[in-house]
Parts: sequence; C-alpha cells; structure tokens
Amino acid sequence: DSGVTQTPKHLITATGQRVTLRCSPRSGDLSVYWYQQSLDQGLQFLIQYYNGEERAKGNILERFSAQQFPDLHSELNLSSLELGDSALYFCASSADRRGEQYFGPGTRLTVT
Amino acid sequence: AQSVTQPDIHITVSEGASLELRCNYSYGATPYLFWYVQSPGQGLQLLLKYFSGDTLVQGIKGFEAEFKRSQSSFNLRKPSVHWSDAAEYFCAVGLGGQAGTALIFGKGTTLSVSS
Repeated sequence: DSGVTQTPKHLITATGQRVTLRCSPRSGDLSVYWYQQSLDQGLQFLIQYYNGEERAKGNILERFSAQQFPDLHSELNLSSLELGDSALYFCASSADRRGEQYFGPGTRLTVT
Repeated sequence: AQSVTQPDIHITVSEGASLELRCNYSYGATPYLFWYVQSPGQGLQLLLKYFSGDTLVQGIKGFEAEFKRSQSSFNLRKPSVHWSDAAEYFCAVGLGGQAGTALIFGKGTTLSVSS
C-alpha cells in the first residue's frame, strides 16, 4: 500500500459526459501528479500540482483540468469525453523534487 | 526532447535464472532515474531510484540497477527470478524542476517467468 488513494476504482460513462477523479496523497506530500496509461500511448504525464498551485503541464488536453485543494487532495476533471479517453488514470504524490513518486491504484475509465 | 527506451517489449525467463532489463535514456543533464513495477490490475510500485553517487543501486525485492553515464543506460538486474516477479517493468526519467519533477516513462517490458 503506497498510501495514495484514488476513487472511484472503475468508471463507465458515455461519450460527451463529464467525470471527476479524486486523489488523496500520502500524508505530508505536497506534490500531486496525474498520469494517463493507455495501450497506444503508454504512461503519460498530464499535470502536477504543488501545495495547491499548478506547477507543470504535460500532454493534457484542453478538455481536462485539475485542481488541488487546501487539504492537498486533488481532482482531475475530464469533460466532453471521447472513446479515446478510455484509459487508466493514476495519481502519484511526492515529498521531494527529485521525482520519487508513489502511485495510487488508479481509476479505470471506460467511455462507451 | 527527453525520452526513455526499453528495447525489449517482452522477456521470458526461467524461474531461478538471472534477469536483466534494459533501459536507455536521452536527457541533457544527469537524470534522476527510476524503475517501477506494475502487476496486472495494480498501480506502480517503486523498485529503486538513482539520484547521484554510487552507480549501483539496490532496491526492494532483490533488484539492483546500474547507472552507466557513457551508455546512457540504467539496466535492472536480479540474480535469481521468482515466479512472483512476473509483471510489467517501467524505467522512468525525472525531468527535474523547482517544485518537483514529472516522470517520463518507457513503454515497459513485460516479464514472464517459466517453471
């Protein structure tokens, strides 16, 4: 158990819909990262938050957004969903800036 | 651009045999390097990390990795593989940054263990 929790574990929704994925980092970790894992693209970095502020962006679509709240949990919002958004979405947290990240169990999103 | 290459998509090793998984990276500076393991339906577990110093690093579950700057490699090794090691292994490079570092992952190597 990494100490990072993600909810829900599975999510099935229709094209055009909007969903919210939630992540709680390890106690004391200020950084939260979101990654997408798909068969064709592999593991891709989406976005990072540090203590409530956005710090880095990767290959995140404009339809996707995230935020980190004062209690340090984070939410990833995916809107206008397309079939190609079906993937595993991981959250990771870190206590240092060297990249030692601990991953949650992931949320499997299926868009039908 | 930074990149990570894992040349072997799938490797099969006999139980008890030694293992080496290859990883090459492309990065301008000395990178932070990581190996993660993912079992089916699970999240990623950190096996080991390299930041600086001794180029041979030890990790969990009996794994080790060696950083070779001249070859831009960070290969993962285990002297004797157990059936429970069957999983997907990912090499990653940390990009670095003031408040943290995003990871760039290789495509992964799937390890199968035969009896």
